[in-house]
Amino acid sequence: AQSVTQPDIHITVSEGASLELRCNYSYGATPYLFWYVQSPGQGLQLLLKYFSGDTLVQGIKGFEAEFKRSQSSFNLRKPSVHWSDAAEYFCAVGTTSGTYKYIFGTGTRLKVLA
Amino acid sequence: DGGITQSPKYLFRKEGQNVTLSCEQNLNHDAMYWYRQDPGQGLRLIYYSQIVNDFQKGDIAEGYSVSREKKESFPLTVTSAQKNPTAFYLCASRKDRILQETQYFGPGTRLLVL
Repeated sequence: AQSVTQPDIHITVSEGASLELRCNYSYGATPYLFWYVQSPGQGLQLLLKYFSGDTLVQGIKGFEAEFKRSQSSFNLRKPSVHWSDAAEYFCAVGTTSGTYKYIFGTGTRLKVLA
Repeated sequence: DGGITQSPKYLFRKEGQNVTLSCEQNLNHDAMYWYRQDPGQGLRLIYYSQIVNDFQKGDIAEGYSVSREKKESFPLTVTSAQKNPTAFYLCASRKDRILQETQYFGPGTRLLVL
């Protein structure tokens, strides 16, 4: 069955430090992969997506993610975190068989220290 | 500006009562989705609709119902059969079911049981 795992429930980093949020997926075919961000009490905003081609994907707000098929991973990175990046981050995989729906991970909550 | 609106922002339900959550979009999208979000569980798909007058059950449809009479509107009813309705409900839409299209989310409705 398809699934998405975000192993880190909470991550705390200092402002200006680098960030990497982990995402592992289980999916038989070529995956469609997404990262979304959610501020408290708000909806989700798409950061970036991967369908094919270059495995390093650039997104909004200075985020990037790298698709590694051999590791079934799609980790999100940012070289220098800003206090406004504090939020919850969700990784998702899109299923191309039948329903074309998303399967979401359980999220990683990011705290940024001043 | 185009977008997705959800109302109300907060909703209170009494025992045995049905309540309806509103979702309206002016993006001219064909596909619409309802998700339930609980702490630590990510987003779970309740119902989805890929075209007017058609909808399908998602992963956790029991105790919920929907309608899709207009392209712009996809209301969700939480029935008395849903024994644990307290959650954050998110509506989303996509131009069509194709995964390459970005899925946009509304701001959410928080449902609380009195």
